[in-house]
Amino acid sequence: EPEVTQTPSHQVTQMGQEVILRCVPISNHLYFYWYRQILGQKVEFLVSFYNNEISEKSEIFDDQFSVERPDGSNFTLKIRSTKLEDSAMYFCASLAGEAYNEQFFGPGTRLTVL
Amino acid sequence: GDSVTQMEGPVTLSEEAFLTINCTYTATGYPSLFWYVQYPGEGLQLLLKATKADDKGSNKGFEATYRKETTSFHLEKGSVQVSDSAVYFCALSGTISNFGNEKLTFGTGTRLTIIP
Repeated sequence: EPEVTQTPSHQVTQMGQEVILRCVPISNHLYFYWYRQILGQKVEFLVSFYNNEISEKSEIFDDQFSVERPDGSNFTLKIRSTKLEDSAMYFCASLAGEAYNEQFFGPGTRLTVL
Repeated sequence: GDSVTQMEGPVTLSEEAFLTINCTYTATGYPSLFWYVQYPGEGLQLLLKATKADDKGSNKGFEATYRKETTSFHLEKGSVQVSDSAVYFCALSGTISNFGNEKLTFGTGTRLTIIP
């Protein structure tokens, strides 16, 4: 069964460093998402991506964040200069198309900023 | 803005007990409602969904009915098993259009532990 994969499963970084979180969505899906969950809090939407551009972003998704689909299979989230409060579990999701409403989620990347 | 309020956890039940996890929502328009489940070490998986009022979603013995009058989507199961131990998330989407590509708005999640 096709699935969304994410790497790494756990990333530890120093404050101020750049990190790139990687996701491989399900092949032939058209919509891609990043969500995050700070420990003990809600899963929060960060950004959605369609047709090689951002379709919606939350207020969390500021200039420190960027997304890219560099090669037609990977979907990446970059945090340019990490802060302590960026420590969270980051989930990638993909959706087959707008006629569907089941987003398929990856297992998440736990980001720890020291 | 849209929001989802979920029953506070954690919840611990004995095997074969009846389960209810409450979920209420605030939204403009007519959202679709979802329950996602997260087993240890895995991603969020769709458990069930309902796209309009009075619809009942069901899967693996779990059920939830979309109640527009009470803005609720409570999750129920008649007899839980140890394998149901997981975190359960209520979510909504689709308050702007009828298309399915809108973002999901989640509740805080409820950790369920079933003891033999």
